[in-house]
Amino acid sequence: QKEVEQNSGPLSVPEGAIASLNCTYSDRGSQSFFWYRQYSGKSPELIMFIYSNGDKEDGRFTAQLNKASQYVSLLIRDSQPSDSATYLCAVRQFISSGSARQLTFGSGTQLTVLP
Amino acid sequence: DVKVTQSSRYLVKRTGEKVFLECVQDMDHENMFWYRQDPGLGLRLIYFSYDVKMKEKGDIPEGYSVSREKKERFSLILESASTNQTSMYLCASSLSPLTGGGRSYNSPLHFGNGTRLTVT
Repeated sequence: QKEVEQNSGPLSVPEGAIASLNCTYSDRGSQSFFWYRQYSGKSPELIMFIYSNGDKEDGRFTAQLNKASQYVSLLIRDSQPSDSATYLCAVRQFISSGSARQLTFGSGTQLTVLP
Repeated sequence: DVKVTQSSRYLVKRTGEKVFLECVQDMDHENMFWYRQDPGLGLRLIYFSYDVKMKEKGDIPEGYSVSREKKERFSLILESASTNQTSMYLCASSLSPLTGGGRSYNSPLHFGNGTRLTVT
């Protein structure tokens, strides 16, 4: 079983709509959760991270974390064509574990915002 | 701003050649990583290093080795390049969540621009 799962998409939304990207993870001890955006041919860039249950907002982006249900989501409000990219979810495991040095990545969700 | 610099953006090598991919970071990060990324397979960890001269295998270390002689530099070596190593290679660095204290708890990975390697 993959440790971090994302719907690969493609997900298409009209310009101005809310895009909702979801991610589930298998390790209950996971501590920190990251969302990266990757444009075609480019390297991933960090959008935001979250580590507490609930919502965290940064501009048009909102990350939502539910540790009991083991999912994390990213909402993009007022979606723009420039948001068209692949969105990667990444998870860090329990802090005292040696593997906490690593992030485990999902395979990404491809988002297309239609003008 | 963290800067992670990969020495080459595009590289074309022949089968059997020894290939060096270099990565330098300027933020005194303890951890450095090498990933490869292929369509449909996502990011796969090849090797990482959490200190100078320390290395650990990732998920797909076969056919690769690494070197970390200085804290800021992490090299990926393909001893004898093969066509199935054609890929995008991404270097990343981060603070250590184990030693960096509270502020590093949520330390993300910072990626370089990537090296697109083609082995013919």
